[in-house]
Amino acid sequence: EVQLVESGGGLVQPGRSLKLSCAASGFTFSNYYMAWVRQAPKKGLEWVATISTSGSRTYYPDSVKGRFTISRDNAKSSLYLQMNSLKSEDTATYYCARRAGGLYWGQGVMVTVSS
Amino acid sequence: ETVLTQSPTTTAASPGEKVTITCRASSSVSYMHWYQQKSGASPKLWIYDTSKLASGVPNRFSGSGSGTSYSLIISSIESEDAATYYCQQKSSDPPLTFGSGTKLEIK
Repeated sequence: EVQLVESGGGLVQPGRSLKLSCAASGFTFSNYYMAWVRQAPKKGLEWVATISTSGSRTYYPDSVKGRFTISRDNAKSSLYLQMNSLKSEDTATYYCARRAGGLYWGQGVMVTVSS
Repeated sequence: ETVLTQSPTTTAASPGEKVTITCRASSSVSYMHWYQQKSGASPKLWIYDTSKLASGVPNRFSGSGSGTSYSLIISSIESEDAATYYCQQKSSDPPLTFGSGTKLEIK
């Protein structure tokens, strides 16, 4: 069974950093592009980052470029999102997703940026 | 970046009725995916590559379209279909782009 389990969320002050993790199981992790997608409270879905199978290529929207870094460890079947210089508008549930003929989603982890 | 516009934003239907949700793209896309999200849960892949049902999706759901216009159709609504549905284009990825969502309520 495919499983994606996010962790690392919580309450953080504006300007601080946080690192999210996603543990994957039930499939060959290294064969898939992976992504992070977020959803602010009562809002729609917003793409945050994508990483290639080897990790050599990464992609971001302008809203997080230069502040967020996506990475992966294929040996550990794990995906990460390093978030720096956090802003209140980064408050959202963050989902790890496997990209293959559509996205397969984890259960999500909440990040609240507030003083 | 391809912008996706969903309509309607919200809709309400009675059990047994037919519902159509539309997703229009600002430029031509090759395929469209659809997700179902119930309150408090993560999105689930529902329809992929425009018309293929994901595992476990009832066959009262269908998808169609091409170019800049795509649809998710529910032939006969059931109470369990209450959810928000999002479209997502496949052509230019990245960036991943989603529609703004259609909330389906059951009368």
